[in-house]
Amino acid sequence: AQTVTQSQPEMSVQEAETVTLSCTYDTSENNYYLFWYKQPPSRQMILVIRQEAYKQQNATENRFSVNFQKAAKSFSLKISDSQLGDTAMYFCAFAFEGKLIFGAGTRLAVHP
Amino acid sequence: DTGVSQNPRHKITKRGQNVTFRCDPISEHNRLYWYRQTLGQGPEFLTYFQNEAQLEKSRLLSDRFSAERPKGSFSTLEIQRTEQGDSAMYLCASSLGAAFHQPQHFGDGTRLSIL
Repeated sequence: AQTVTQSQPEMSVQEAETVTLSCTYDTSENNYYLFWYKQPPSRQMILVIRQEAYKQQNATENRFSVNFQKAAKSFSLKISDSQLGDTAMYFCAFAFEGKLIFGAGTRLAVHP
Repeated sequence: DTGVSQNPRHKITKRGQNVTFRCDPISEHNRLYWYRQTLGQGPEFLTYFQNEAQLEKSRLLSDRFSAERPKGSFSTLEIQRTEQGDSAMYLCASSLGAAFHQPQHFGDGTRLSIL
């Protein structure tokens, strides 16, 4: 069975600083996709970044980047130059047979 | 792209009543998904459709739950004889194509509260 674990229930960071959110997963599949989604308070979930498992190069989207370690089954999200608008729940997700399997989430608070 | 639309945004009902939620996906998206999210947890997969065909149902989806997607457009999720444990946010998402790497676009969700 596929599982996703986010071990940090809450994180906080000062504006303009860098923060890293952790995610580990378990699967016997060899080809899969991983995603980070952001869910701001009372707003809809939006895609932050995705990673293809067969690509060794880490994905980057502006201030967001991932550190994908396939052998370790680790998929962390780094947010650089944190902004107040980054305050949200962040969910790591594994795509399996068309559906997403989510972790429990990390609540990130960005302070001025 | 008008986004995924869900109605109603909030539903409060008494235990034992039936409720129905609606999801309108992004127009060209052929895949539609339902998830349930309880407080402090990540979304859990319930079921998904490709066009009008329901391809998979989670074991979380008891016999009291039924989902339809007539004509492959909007979808409805009905819960019969609601129970306290059904209180949750019900999220709908849609994606384009059958490839599992396609990103899913989520709606705002319907929050169900059972009295």
